[in-house]
Amino acid sequence: NAGVTQTPKFQVLKTGQSMTLQCAQDMNHNSMYWYRQDPGMGLRLIYYSASEGTTDKGEVPNGYNVSRLNKREFSLRLESAAPSQTSVYFCASSASGTTIEKLFFGSGTQLSVL
Amino acid sequence: DAKTTQPPSMDCAEGRAANLPCNHSTISGNEYVYWYRQIHSQGPQYIIHGLKNNETNEMASLIITEDRKSSTLILPHATLRDTAVYYCIARDSWGKLQFGAGTQVVVTP
Repeated sequence: NAGVTQTPKFQVLKTGQSMTLQCAQDMNHNSMYWYRQDPGMGLRLIYYSASEGTTDKGEVPNGYNVSRLNKREFSLRLESAAPSQTSVYFCASSASGTTIEKLFFGSGTQLSVL
Repeated sequence: DAKTTQPPSMDCAEGRAANLPCNHSTISGNEYVYWYRQIHSQGPQYIIHGLKNNETNEMASLIITEDRKSSTLILPHATLRDTAVYYCIARDSWGKLQFGAGTQVVVTP
C-alpha cells in the first residue's frame, strides 16, 4: 500500500537550474497538494489541485509551476531555482468532495539550491 | 492569518497522558479542528478531527470546549515514538489547511 510517493528524495541544484518534483498517489484521491517546509517552521501551501484538470495557487506560488498530469500524478516544477527555494517539499492528497480534510502526505523531497 | 495557537513545546513522561492544548477562538461554527503530527521530518500524519463533540480513535482523544474556542488532544499513554511536532489546524482563507509551527512534544523515559 504505497499511498503518496514522491521522487526524488534528495536533490542538489545550482542557482538557475530547473527540475521537476514528481508525486503520485494510488488512493484514487481527487485533490492533491504541494507544500514546502523551511527549517523550524510549519508547512506552507504552494499549489493545489482540487480535481484532475484544475490547479490553483496557494500561499507561496512564486517561482513554481505545477501540472496535474492525470488523477494520480501532480508535479511541481522549478524553472530557475533560487537559494530561497531550499526547503523540504511535501506532496499530499485527499479524497475531497466532503467537508473533512484528511490529508495523506508523502515522505518529502529535500532540496538544496546552491 | 493563523486561526489556531499552540504552545511551542512541552515535555511528557513515558506512560503518562499527554494533554496538548490549542486555542481557536476565531474559527466559525461549522469549521472542523484537525490534529496532525510530524515525526522528525517525515510527512505529517493525520490524527483526529472534531467539530463539537469529543472524539476518540485508536491514536488519541479530542476534547473540544462547549464554546469551541479551544480544544485538547490527549495521548492517553505516551510512548517514546510519540515524540513529534503536533499541529492543531483549521482551514485558511483559501479553504485549505494551514500548518503553523505546532507544539514540539518530547516524551522522556
